[in-house]
Amino acid sequence: KAGVTQTPRYLIKTRGQQVTLSCSPISGHRSVSWYQQTPGQGLQFLFEYFSETQRNKGNFPGRFSGRQFSNSRSEMNVSTLELGDSALYLCASSPAPIADTQYFGPGTRLTVL
Amino acid sequence: DQQVKQNSPSLSVQEGRISILNCDYTNSMFDYFLWYKKYPAEGPTFLISISSIKDKNEDGRFTVFLNKSAKHLSLHIVPSQPGDSAVYFCAASESNDYKLSFGAGTTVTVRA
Repeated sequence: KAGVTQTPRYLIKTRGQQVTLSCSPISGHRSVSWYQQTPGQGLQFLFEYFSETQRNKGNFPGRFSGRQFSNSRSEMNVSTLELGDSALYLCASSPAPIADTQYFGPGTRLTVL
Repeated sequence: DQQVKQNSPSLSVQEGRISILNCDYTNSMFDYFLWYKKYPAEGPTFLISISSIKDKNEDGRFTVFLNKSAKHLSLHIVPSQPGDSAVYFCAASESNDYKLSFGAGTTVTVRA
């Protein structure tokens, strides 16, 4: 069974630009969550989608948004990038929104210059 | 405000000895706790979990202890092996909900 895939793996952008990251969940998984990992902060919850609906959102500004498609693939978008947005962005998929069934992808490393 | 804290950023242990990783939380609503292991260039993988109705859960070489009154949990790895060298994250949620709060991680290095 293929794991969670995230594209691209690495990305370099400049301040003010926008970026779109993609996550393909494990086949059959309908829940996709996104996390931001920065040094010293651990992983911080961004948002979760289940059956194309955003069910919860973490404490991030409106510049961070996402969506989920009917095939459960998800994208997250960050507009007007800031230096502090440099981080590893991880997505996790699960059959249902239950914590210990989540499988994480390898992440997208975003660097904002 | 960080609700889950791992105060030791790193831990070095000799192969065959015990590794003890600590985690503290502040939110009394948390009732489900998990440990994840992360290798470089890979996503975190689920290791072991514990519900607040228990104070200990064991899975092979890994044991998690929960002290609810102190809002503290720990992960014991016995015996430690070189393949255990990784970053370990503690996480907590309400009722095994998907919205996890993570600690900053502890980097474990197992020396031969």
